[in-house]
Amino acid sequence: DAGVIQSPRHEVTEMGQEVTLRCKPISGHNSLFWYRQTMMRGLELLIYFNNNVPIDDSGMPEDRFSAKMPNASFSTLKIQPSEPRDSAVYFCASSLPGGSQPQHFGDGTRLSIL
Amino acid sequence: EDQVTQSPEALRLQEGESSSLNCSYTVSGLRGLFWYRQDPGKGPEFLFTLYSAGEEKEKERLKATLTKKESFLHITAPKPEDSATYLCAVPGYGGSQGNLIFGKGTKLSVKP
Repeated sequence: DAGVIQSPRHEVTEMGQEVTLRCKPISGHNSLFWYRQTMMRGLELLIYFNNNVPIDDSGMPEDRFSAKMPNASFSTLKIQPSEPRDSAVYFCASSLPGGSQPQHFGDGTRLSIL
Repeated sequence: EDQVTQSPEALRLQEGESSSLNCSYTVSGLRGLFWYRQDPGKGPEFLFTLYSAGEEKEKERLKATLTKKESFLHITAPKPEDSATYLCAVPGYGGSQGNLIFGKGTKLSVKP
């Protein structure tokens, strides 16, 4: 079975540019999560969706960040405008519904903002 | 505040030298504790879920145990391929059910 698929794997862009990260969850998983990982702060939840509806976006750092899930098989995380401090690895994960279900992660997008 | 603390931050072992990793948590109403393995350049890979104190799970050379305050990941006779960062996580309480709180991880290196 295919796991969580993220694209691109690497993104290098200049400050001020718009960045769009993409995620395809595991088929049949109703919950989708976006995380950011840095050396300083570890893995932090940004936002999560249940059945395509955003449930908790309290981890989104500021209005420059937005996420959408137009259907059950696709989600995007957008940063506009990007800043150097946004440089990190961004992970998407999916799970069956319920807080006690394990989340399955993609291999991430390594984002560098120059 | 819900917290997860892992120790040590880094652990170097010789091949065959058994040891344990610790994950301490403070959360109201534990609804599971998750262990993940993360290799460089990869996403975390799910290993185990533990739900109640006294529960144990095993997979190859790994065994996870759970008490009311902490979990241990025991590694028996490790091999170089066990080298990775091991993360533990718990669901946060009071917020949305999806809010997994992760520890910073233990970076394990196993030398041949």
